[in-house]
Amino acid sequence: EVQLVESGGGLIQPGGSLRLSCAASGLTVSSNYMSWVRQAPGKGLEWVSIIYSGGSTYYADSVKGRFTISRDSSKNTLFLQMNSLRAEDTAVYYCARYYQAYVDYFDYWGQGTLVTVSS
Amino acid sequence: DIQMTQSPSSLSASVGDRVTITCRASQSISNYLNWYQQKPGKAPKLLIYAASSLQSGVPSTFSGSGSGTDFTLTISSLQPEDFATYYCQQSYSTPPLTFGGGTKVEIK
Repeated sequence: EVQLVESGGGLIQPGGSLRLSCAASGLTVSSNYMSWVRQAPGKGLEWVSIIYSGGSTYYADSVKGRFTISRDSSKNTLFLQMNSLRAEDTAVYYCARYYQAYVDYFDYWGQGTLVTVSS
Repeated sequence: DIQMTQSPSSLSASVGDRVTITCRASQSISNYLNWYQQKPGKAPKLLIYAASSLQSGVPSTFSGSGSGTDFTLTISSLQPEDFATYYCQQSYSTPPLTFGGGTKVEIK
């Protein structure tokens, strides 16, 4: 059974930094395309970042230059380093596997971790 | 970037109703379209991939159709557990991966 468990969320002041973790079991993070998707309170889903199995990384324009996605193979864990946080980054952050098939899709999701950026 | 537009943004329906949700892409995406269901406080769940393929374990009351720019998600007979928000997502030109704005299905 695949499980993705996020942690690291919390209340942080504007301009601060936070690192989110997503511990995986039942799948190998480094062998998969892994992504972060966020959802602001009462809003829709917004893709944030993705890391390919080969190591390439991509970001939404809204977080480019401030967020960094990475992984640790020894811990089978995905990370999202978030710097220069803004109020508009307040959201539940989900990690998800982006399954590679004829048509790619998100098939496994974590339960999410809430990040609140406020003074 | 490809923009995804869903309509309606919300709808009210009764148990047993047939419900149709539309998703339109800003350019042709062939059948590179997925649908997700999200219940309050929960992570999204994959329902349909490649426009019309039913994910394992999803009831056959759900179906998807379309190609190019216009897609539909149909619930043939709405059940109490189907009241949720539904999102489409394109995987034709990525990154960025883009979602539609969502359609909230509420009880009438």
